[in-house]
Amino acid sequence: EIVLTQSPGTLSLSPGERATLSCRASQSVSRSYLAWYQQKPGQAPRLLIYGASSRATGIPDRFSGSGSGTDFTLIISRLEPEDFAVYYCQQYDSSPRTFGQGTKVEIK
Amino acid sequence: EVQLVESGGGLVQPGRSLRLSCAASGFTFDHYAMHWVRQAAGKGLEWVSSISWNSATIAYADSVKGRFTISRDNAKNSLYLQMNSLRAEDTALYYCAKDIEGGNSGVLVYWGQGTLVTVSS
Repeated sequence: EIVLTQSPGTLSLSPGERATLSCRASQSVSRSYLAWYQQKPGQAPRLLIYGASSRATGIPDRFSGSGSGTDFTLIISRLEPEDFAVYYCQQYDSSPRTFGQGTKVEIK
Repeated sequence: EVQLVESGGGLVQPGRSLRLSCAASGFTFDHYAMHWVRQAAGKGLEWVSSISWNSATIAYADSVKGRFTISRDNAKNSLYLQMNSLRAEDTALYYCAKDIEGGNSGVLVYWGQGTLVTVSS
């Protein structure tokens, strides 16, 4: 099973700032089969990024993903008020599909 | 508009069974793989099970293997999760999610709002 470790656990930033979220895999995620999801309180998760760097339909271009192998990054270039949420990475290279434990982006 | 509506959750005693359903609309259901993902209160996401468009490929998390059974009825645009031998640690909000493709890629492009399962005596 591929274990995903996200860091930091919590990121305290102000609107307009840049957020950098990390996701590290316990073994290589081949073909960059890595996705990112956003979850707000009381809501279902929403797909942001798949294939490590492809934005899902309707996702603003301030969200970008990068990485390969075992190290992946989600960047939010300029935080909007609606971006404060919990972010999860997920690998779909192998079964079982696994998620990271999440990074909470909170308002400073 | 894609809609996924879960139902069937509730309070159940340990060792008993429960069947979750997910009614899908707004897309061609039999073209896409489907998944169940759960989330315990205040915790992260845990993938539970998946089924390909034609039910040929099915997978389970180790934590539920042998106890849970995923199935689908394409004629009814519905996904199911039969949960047997329930344990306290199965308590969670259960989400139904649509895959980005039919072959069970694992990319979860749409999610329902979830149905709550509580296992307690």
